[in-house]
Amino acid sequence: EDQVTQSPEALRLQEGESSSLNCSYTVSGLRGLFWYRQDPGKGPEFLFTLYSAGEEKEKERLKATLTKKESFLHITAPKPEDSATYLCAVQASTSGTYKYIFGTGTRLKVLA
Amino acid sequence: EAQVTQNPRYLITVTGKKLTVTCSQNMNHEYMSWYRQDPGLGLRQIYYSMNVEVTDKGDVPEGYKVSRKEKRNFPLILESPSPNQTSLYFCASSFMRLGGYTFGSGTRLTVV
Repeated sequence: EDQVTQSPEALRLQEGESSSLNCSYTVSGLRGLFWYRQDPGKGPEFLFTLYSAGEEKEKERLKATLTKKESFLHITAPKPEDSATYLCAVQASTSGTYKYIFGTGTRLKVLA
Repeated sequence: EAQVTQNPRYLITVTGKKLTVTCSQNMNHEYMSWYRQDPGLGLRQIYYSMNVEVTDKGDVPEGYKVSRKEKRNFPLILESPSPNQTSLYFCASSFMRLGGYTFGSGTRLTVV
Protein backbone atom coordinates (compact mmCIF):
# COMPACT_ATOMS: atom_id res chain seq x y z
CA GLU A 1 0.00 0.00 0.00
CA ASP A 2 1.27 3.46 -0.88
CA GLN A 3 2.26 5.32 2.24
CA VAL A 4 3.92 8.57 3.31
CA THR A 5 5.22 8.97 6.87
CA GLN A 6 6.56 12.19 8.36
CA SER A 7 8.64 12.56 11.49
CA PRO A 8 8.73 13.99 14.01
CA GLU A 9 5.06 14.87 14.51
CA ALA A 10 6.05 18.04 16.32
CA LEU A 11 9.30 19.92 16.78
CA ARG A 12 10.23 22.88 18.94
CA LEU A 13 13.41 24.78 18.09
CA GLN A 14 15.11 27.83 19.45
CA GLU A 15 15.66 30.61 16.94
CA GLY A 16 18.86 29.80 15.05
CA GLU A 17 18.83 26.11 15.97
CA SER A 18 19.05 24.16 12.68
CA SER A 19 17.27 20.84 12.23
CA SER A 20 15.77 18.46 9.67
CA LEU A 21 12.31 17.09 9.04
CA ASN A 22 11.90 13.62 7.55
CA CYS A 23 9.48 12.25 4.98
CA SER A 24 9.73 8.54 4.20
CA TYR A 25 7.64 6.97 1.49
CA THR A 26 6.63 3.59 0.19
CA VAL A 27 5.00 3.98 -3.21
CA SER A 28 5.11 2.28 -6.54
CA GLY A 29 5.80 4.46 -9.54
CA LEU A 30 7.03 7.62 -7.79
CA ARG A 31 6.64 10.58 -10.12
CA GLY A 32 7.46 13.41 -7.78
CA LEU A 33 7.79 14.45 -4.15
CA PHE A 34 6.47 17.78 -2.92
CA TRP A 35 6.92 19.91 0.19
CA TYR A 36 4.30 22.35 1.41
CA ARG A 37 3.98 24.76 4.30
CA GLN A 38 0.61 25.20 6.02
CA ASP A 39 -0.21 28.01 8.43
CA PRO A 40 -3.20 27.66 10.81
CA GLY A 41 -6.51 28.27 9.07
CA LYS A 42 -4.96 28.44 5.61
CA GLY A 43 -4.42 26.19 2.64
CA PRO A 44 -1.03 24.58 2.05
CA GLU A 45 1.56 26.69 0.25
CA PHE A 46 3.78 24.95 -2.27
CA LEU A 47 7.53 25.01 -1.52
CA PHE A 48 9.45 22.44 -3.60
CA THR A 49 9.19 19.62 -6.10
CA LEU A 50 11.82 16.86 -6.28
CA TYR A 51 11.70 14.35 -9.10
CA SER A 52 14.69 12.02 -8.70
CA ALA A 53 17.08 10.68 -6.07
CA GLY A 54 20.00 13.03 -5.46
CA GLU A 55 18.05 16.14 -6.37
CA GLU A 56 18.18 19.16 -4.05
CA LYS A 57 16.21 22.41 -3.96
CA GLU A 58 16.77 25.52 -1.82
CA LYS A 59 14.71 28.51 -0.83
CA GLU A 60 15.92 30.95 1.80
CA ARG A 61 16.50 28.92 4.99
CA LEU A 62 14.97 25.74 3.57
CA LYS A 63 16.68 22.98 1.64
CA ALA A 64 14.94 19.82 0.43
CA THR A 65 16.76 16.63 -0.54
CA LEU A 66 15.57 13.31 -1.95
CA THR A 67 16.81 9.71 -1.78
CA LYS A 68 15.13 6.56 -3.05
CA LYS A 69 13.28 6.05 0.23
CA GLU A 70 12.98 9.43 1.91
CA SER A 71 13.22 13.17 1.71
CA PHE A 72 14.56 15.68 4.19
CA LEU A 73 13.63 19.29 4.70
CA HIS A 74 16.60 21.01 6.31
CA ILE A 75 15.92 24.26 8.12
CA THR A 76 19.01 26.39 8.69
CA ALA A 77 19.00 29.04 11.42
CA PRO A 78 15.20 29.14 11.66
CA LYS A 79 13.23 32.22 12.67
CA PRO A 80 9.89 32.42 14.50
CA GLU A 81 8.15 33.13 11.18
CA ASP A 82 9.17 29.65 10.02
CA SER A 83 6.70 28.21 12.54
CA ALA A 84 4.10 26.22 10.59
CA THR A 85 3.10 22.68 9.70
CA TYR A 86 5.27 21.24 6.94
CA LEU A 87 3.62 18.70 4.69
CA CYS A 88 5.20 16.18 2.38
CA ALA A 89 3.31 14.65 -0.55
CA VAL A 90 4.15 12.15 -3.27
CA GLN A 91 2.63 11.70 -6.66
CA ALA A 92 2.47 8.05 -7.69
CA SER A 93 1.47 6.53 -10.98
CA THR A 94 -0.44 3.26 -10.84
CA SER A 95 -2.15 1.71 -13.87
CA GLY A 96 -2.20 5.02 -15.68
CA THR A 97 -3.77 6.97 -12.86
CA TYR A 98 -1.98 9.64 -10.85
CA LYS A 99 -2.61 9.90 -7.13
CA TYR A 100 -1.38 12.52 -4.74
CA ILE A 101 -0.69 11.20 -1.23
CA PHE A 102 0.07 13.47 1.72
CA GLY A 103 1.80 12.71 4.98
CA THR A 104 0.26 13.98 8.20
CA GLY A 105 2.85 16.70 8.61
CA THR A 106 5.40 18.02 11.11
CA ARG A 107 4.28 20.90 13.34
CA LEU A 108 7.26 23.20 13.75
CA LYS A 109 7.45 25.84 16.46
CA VAL A 110 10.43 28.20 16.49
CA LEU A 111 10.88 30.11 19.72
CA ALA A 112 12.41 33.58 19.83
CA GLU B 1 -3.89 38.05 -8.33
CA ALA B 2 -3.43 34.37 -9.19
CA GLN B 3 -5.61 32.35 -6.87
CA VAL B 4 -8.00 29.51 -6.18
CA THR B 5 -11.30 30.72 -4.76
CA GLN B 6 -13.60 28.48 -2.74
CA ASN B 7 -17.04 29.30 -1.46
CA PRO B 8 -18.39 29.23 1.12
CA ARG B 9 -15.63 29.43 3.78
CA TYR B 10 -17.91 28.03 6.46
CA LEU B 11 -21.04 25.92 6.11
CA ILE B 12 -23.28 24.19 8.62
CA THR B 13 -25.93 21.93 7.15
CA VAL B 14 -28.22 19.07 8.11
CA THR B 15 -27.93 15.43 7.16
CA GLY B 16 -29.30 14.68 3.71
CA LYS B 17 -29.55 18.24 2.41
CA LYS B 18 -27.70 18.48 -0.91
CA LEU B 19 -24.94 21.05 -1.09
CA THR B 20 -22.31 22.33 -3.51
CA VAL B 21 -18.95 23.85 -2.67
CA THR B 22 -17.68 25.97 -5.53
CA CYS B 23 -14.07 26.25 -6.67
CA SER B 24 -12.68 28.57 -9.31
CA GLN B 25 -9.12 29.29 -10.47
CA ASN B 26 -7.89 32.18 -12.61
CA MET B 27 -4.54 30.70 -13.70
CA ASN B 28 -5.74 28.65 -16.69
CA HIS B 29 -4.60 25.48 -14.93
CA GLU B 30 -5.56 22.14 -16.44
CA TYR B 31 -5.28 20.07 -13.26
CA MET B 32 -7.64 20.52 -10.33
CA SER B 33 -8.25 18.48 -7.24
CA TRP B 34 -10.35 18.29 -4.08
CA TYR B 35 -9.04 17.23 -0.67
CA ARG B 36 -10.41 16.82 2.80
CA GLN B 37 -8.28 17.39 5.87
CA ASP B 38 -9.02 15.64 9.16
CA PRO B 39 -6.98 15.60 12.38
CA GLY B 40 -4.59 12.66 12.46
CA LEU B 41 -5.42 11.67 8.88
CA GLY B 42 -3.91 14.56 7.00
CA LEU B 43 -5.01 15.62 3.54
CA ARG B 44 -6.78 12.96 1.50
CA GLN B 45 -7.61 13.30 -2.17
CA ILE B 46 -11.31 13.04 -3.04
CA TYR B 47 -11.37 13.61 -6.80
CA TYR B 48 -9.10 15.12 -9.38
CA SER B 49 -9.49 16.40 -12.92
CA MET B 50 -6.96 16.46 -15.73
CA ASN B 51 -8.99 18.69 -18.04
CA VAL B 52 -12.52 19.66 -19.00
CA GLU B 53 -14.85 16.64 -18.77
CA VAL B 54 -11.99 14.42 -17.48
CA THR B 55 -12.20 13.42 -13.81
CA ASP B 56 -11.01 10.48 -11.72
CA LYS B 57 -11.43 9.20 -8.19
CA GLY B 58 -8.90 9.83 -5.46
CA ASP B 59 -8.61 7.88 -2.25
CA VAL B 60 -11.91 8.85 -0.60
CA PRO B 61 -14.53 9.51 -3.31
CA GLU B 62 -17.53 7.87 -1.62
CA GLY B 63 -20.38 10.30 -1.01
CA TYR B 64 -18.99 12.99 -3.33
CA LYS B 65 -19.48 14.05 -6.93
CA VAL B 66 -17.59 16.49 -9.10
CA SER B 67 -17.95 18.01 -12.53
CA ARG B 68 -15.59 19.91 -14.82
CA LYS B 69 -17.65 21.63 -17.50
CA GLU B 70 -15.34 24.64 -17.72
CA LYS B 71 -11.60 24.80 -17.25
CA ARG B 72 -11.74 27.32 -14.42
CA ASN B 73 -14.46 25.69 -12.28
CA PHE B 74 -14.48 22.42 -10.35
CA PRO B 75 -17.44 22.20 -7.94
CA LEU B 76 -17.71 19.54 -5.24
CA ILE B 77 -21.19 18.14 -4.73
CA LEU B 78 -22.49 16.28 -1.70
CA GLU B 79 -25.80 14.75 -2.75
CA SER B 80 -26.77 13.52 0.72
CA PRO B 81 -24.30 14.77 3.33
CA SER B 82 -23.70 12.73 6.46
CA PRO B 83 -21.97 13.68 9.74
CA ASN B 84 -18.83 11.74 8.75
CA GLN B 85 -18.33 14.28 5.98
CA THR B 86 -17.75 17.00 8.53
CA SER B 87 -14.28 18.18 7.61
CA LEU B 88 -12.08 20.94 6.20
CA TYR B 89 -12.13 20.86 2.41
CA PHE B 90 -9.55 22.28 0.04
CA CYS B 91 -9.62 22.81 -3.69
CA ALA B 92 -6.32 23.05 -5.54
CA SER B 93 -5.03 23.54 -9.07
CA SER B 94 -1.81 23.00 -10.99
CA PHE B 95 -0.58 23.90 -14.47
CA MET B 96 1.18 20.57 -14.97
CA ARG B 97 0.54 16.94 -14.09
CA LEU B 98 3.72 16.66 -12.00
CA GLY B 99 3.61 20.12 -10.51
CA GLY B 100 2.94 21.59 -7.12
CA TYR B 101 -0.61 22.69 -6.41
CA THR B 102 -2.00 26.11 -5.54
CA PHE B 103 -4.57 25.67 -2.78
CA GLY B 104 -7.68 27.61 -1.92
CA SER B 105 -8.36 28.94 1.58
CA GLY B 106 -10.58 26.03 2.54
CA THR B 107 -14.22 25.35 3.37
CA ARG B 108 -15.07 24.19 6.85
CA LEU B 109 -18.15 21.98 6.59
CA THR B 110 -20.19 20.76 9.53
CA VAL B 111 -23.00 18.25 8.97
CA VAL B 112 -25.38 17.82 11.91
